[in-house]
Amino acid sequence: EADIYQTPRYLVIGTGKKITLECSQTMGHDKMYWYQQDPGMELHLIHYSYGVNSTEKGDLSSESTVSRIRTEHFPLTLESARPSHTSQYLCASSEQGTGQSPLHFGNGTRLTVT
Amino acid sequence: EDKVVQSPLSLVVHEGDTVTLNCSYEVTNFRSLLWYKQEKKAPTFLFMLTSSGIEKKSGRLSSILDKKELFSILNITATQTGDSAVYLCAVYAGNNRKLIWGLGTSLAVNP
Repeated sequence: EADIYQTPRYLVIGTGKKITLECSQTMGHDKMYWYQQDPGMELHLIHYSYGVNSTEKGDLSSESTVSRIRTEHFPLTLESARPSHTSQYLCASSEQGTGQSPLHFGNGTRLTVT
Repeated sequence: EDKVVQSPLSLVVHEGDTVTLNCSYEVTNFRSLLWYKQEKKAPTFLFMLTSSGIEKKSGRLSSILDKKELFSILNITATQTGDSAVYLCAVYAGNNRKLIWGLGTSLAVNP
């Protein structure tokens, strides 16, 4: 069973605030990912990491930033939230393995920026 | 451009019906195909398929891959209301093992 945790579960915040979405996994996975998903829409990869001190931007341009100082922790930060950032943010992890391991997802953070 | 196309986009059935969901793909250097179930929160992993013609089965769900015709199907027999969800298909492709997602099929099972 996958053990990957995201906090907070829901967040409502005003425009201009700085926020950090937390993601932690206890499986020792090297690979971690952040996806953005609007209701009824597809998953968009915004950031990924293949290990400590490794971060890359995904396919969808995002104003957020990430860090990977520890294997188990992959937080996402928005320096100045805007209404356009309203969305669901999903964190995932996978084994290094053959490079095609299944992703295990956290329960997501639903962000609303007013 | 790599793409994964799922059909139908949505489906409404009655409990007990059998459903077949489709996932077709056009990618460079196919590696594997994955199925996920997404209810209100996170996608949960169902199956990973790498070889043609070998059925993966878990309870009432089963899936098979056809690498010649470039598609996979997900079958759900004797559907229950708890099967209501969005079913997502994703394909690993390319030398960098990029994961390409479909839009999903929204399944509603009515009692």
